[in-house]
Amino acid sequence: GAGVSQSPSNKVTEKGKDVELRCDPISGHTALYWYRQSLGQGLEFLIYFQGNSAPDKSGLPSDRFSAERTGGSVSTLTIQRTQQEDSAVYLCASSLKSTYEQYFGPGTRLTVT
Amino acid sequence: AQSVTQPDIHITVSEGASLELRCNYSYGATPYLFWYVQSPGQGLQLLLKYFSGDTLVQGIKGFEAEFKRSQSSFNLRKPSVHWSDAAEYFCAVGPSSNTGKLIFGQGTTLQVKP
Repeated sequence: GAGVSQSPSNKVTEKGKDVELRCDPISGHTALYWYRQSLGQGLEFLIYFQGNSAPDKSGLPSDRFSAERTGGSVSTLTIQRTQQEDSAVYLCASSLKSTYEQYFGPGTRLTVT
Repeated sequence: AQSVTQPDIHITVSEGASLELRCNYSYGATPYLFWYVQSPGQGLQLLLKYFSGDTLVQGIKGFEAEFKRSQSSFNLRKPSVHWSDAAEYFCAVGPSSNTGKLIFGQGTTLQVKP
C-alpha cells in the first residue's frame, strides 16, 4: 500500500515568510508524528497526534511553530516568520497506534535564505 | 533522562565483511527499541524492532539485533555487508504509552569499501 507522503519535497523561502508543510499518513494509522532533522541537532521530536488531538507538543521549538491534523488524516506543520535556524529536513511519521512502530515519509527539506 | 548513544559516528567495512553497529540506551521502563536506515535524500526505513520476547530479532535486508538488558544495548549486526548497505543508521527508543516520541541516537554512517 501507499506509504507516508509529504509535500513539498523541497521548499526555499525567505526569512520572515510563513511556510506550510503537509503530511499524508498511511491510511488507517491513528497516530502521526513530526520530527526535524538538522546537522547540529540530529533527529528531534516535534509533535505527536492521536487522532486530531495533540497530547504531546513538547518538541515544538517556539510559538512560531504550530501543527494541526484534520479528519484524523492529513496534517499540516506551519512555521511563521521563518528564521535561518529553521532550515532542516522535516520528517513526518505515522503508526497504527502510539505504541506501534513508526513509518516515515521522505521528508521536506526547508531552506530559509 | 531517556537517551540513546551510538558511539561510532562513522564506520568503514569491506564488502563481504561482517558488521556490528553499537547502540546503548537509557530508559526508565522496559524499552521498545528500533533500528532505522536512511539513504541520502531519503526518509527513514524501519529495519527491525524489539518489543518483547526473544532478545534476538531479525529484520529486513539480512540484519539482526540483540537486546541485552544487562548492558542496556541493542547492537545491530549483519554477517556479510553489501555495497548497497552504505547509509546512515539510527537506533531509537520509545515510545511510551502517553507520548509517541521516539528518541534517536546521533546516527552511524556506514561506508562500504569494494
